[in-house]
Amino acid sequence: EAQVTQNPRYLITVTGKKLTVTCSQNMNHEYMSWYRQDPGLGLRQIYYSMNVEVTDKGDVPEGYKVSRKEKRNFPLILESPSPNQTSLYFCASKLHGALNTEAFFGQGTRLTVV
Amino acid sequence: SQELEQSPQSLIVQEGKNLTINCTSSKTLYGLYWYKQKYGEGLIFLMMLQKGGEEKSHEKITAKLDEKKQQSSLHITASQPSHAGIYLCGADGYSGGSNYKLTFGKGTLLTVNP
Repeated sequence: EAQVTQNPRYLITVTGKKLTVTCSQNMNHEYMSWYRQDPGLGLRQIYYSMNVEVTDKGDVPEGYKVSRKEKRNFPLILESPSPNQTSLYFCASKLHGALNTEAFFGQGTRLTVV
Repeated sequence: SQELEQSPQSLIVQEGKNLTINCTSSKTLYGLYWYKQKYGEGLIFLMMLQKGGEEKSHEKITAKLDEKKQQSSLHITASQPSHAGIYLCGADGYSGGSNYKLTFGKGTLLTVNP
């Protein structure tokens, strides 16, 4: 089954403790992206990757890192999480980054930083 | 960057009623996507529209893209409680070089009362 898998689904952590949210897709998609979703602000893009070893900042990249060492995986790294990073995070993938290709989304990771 | 404005922000309807959600872009839309999200869950792809004047239907949901390709509407006929959720429009936007970025409106929260 074609899917985007995020782990973990839920995470509570403390300020400053490094964490990684994993994202994996099995569709051989070139394009992958991370979003955060907050009430009243909608979905905002954090980082995206057009292909292996090609990443770029989205609209809200501060406090996050990503890597794309292989096509299927696109982990999101929070080196020193802070409470303002408490949010619902989504990973998405598309066949390629050009126009008119459907994006597939993971089930989301609800992160709470205390 | 491309901005998508959705209206209304929220909508409460009685089961069986028709409703329309709008999505307006600040720039010409080259691809417009509609997604549905159940609270706290991942996004489910509904439809993609590419051409001016295009209209697509799936079950009781119809989406249209206007001729000028700057506005899309999502119409639900004879709404049911299963239609409840957050509806998001998304669009591909050019972000420089050969990069495109998928951005979203803030969403419309639909409640359908039995």
